[in-house]
Amino acid sequence: VQLVESGGGVGRPGGSLRLSCAASGFTFDEYAMSWVRQGPGKGLEWVSGINWNGDRRGYIDSVKGRFTVSRDNAKNSLYLEMNSLRVEDTALYFCAREPQRSSEPFDIWGQGTMVTVSS
Amino acid sequence: SYELTQPPSVSVAPGQTARIICGGNNIGSKSVHWYQQKPGQAPVVVVYDDSDRPSGIPERFSGSNSGNTATLTISRVEAGDEADYYCQVWDSSSDHYVFGTGTKVTVL
Repeated sequence: VQLVESGGGVGRPGGSLRLSCAASGFTFDEYAMSWVRQGPGKGLEWVSGINWNGDRRGYIDSVKGRFTVSRDNAKNSLYLEMNSLRVEDTALYFCAREPQRSSEPFDIWGQGTMVTVSS
Repeated sequence: SYELTQPPSVSVAPGQTARIICGGNNIGSKSVHWYQQKPGQAPVVVVYDDSDRPSGIPERFSGSNSGNTATLTISRVEAGDEADYYCQVWDSSSDHYVFGTGTKVTVL
């Protein structure tokens, strides 16, 4: 069971990046998925989530209208399209498997992909 | 939006007990999960649903939750427990997951 993120790198303010997360070892389309980020020296921050079939999505206010979460169940993949990048979006971005009930935690995490927004 | 507040740091001698507090409005009505994160690694669950432990997590890790405070207790602290710890809940009013501000545990 694992999640592997990719797509991080250096982006310019106002620019775009697309992150991917490849899942394996579990039935991907049975789970909602999330993106969680961690700025340099900072804490964890939930960014966005998507339900099993993609018809329900959520975002924190600071990325609403700029980031879009999506998934391709045929490819066992999760994506985060990041537009209008800001310096404050600089962070390590983790994908994580959401719990099926609120009494359960995020149980599977990737190792993260680093996004640096700088001119 | 719902907020969870933790002390920035806790220091404890080996063999002693560390208590990490997570404060939130009526947090006792929510399920609280605790994660341990070591440098360069992804978070790992140490306590879930207030007080349950995943398999493989030592009994030294325990949790409680009541009123406006949840607590992670680490008994008989070892050097390997030095890490950052985060509490986390699901906020149904905003449909968002919320993490606490994080606590760095230092073993003296």
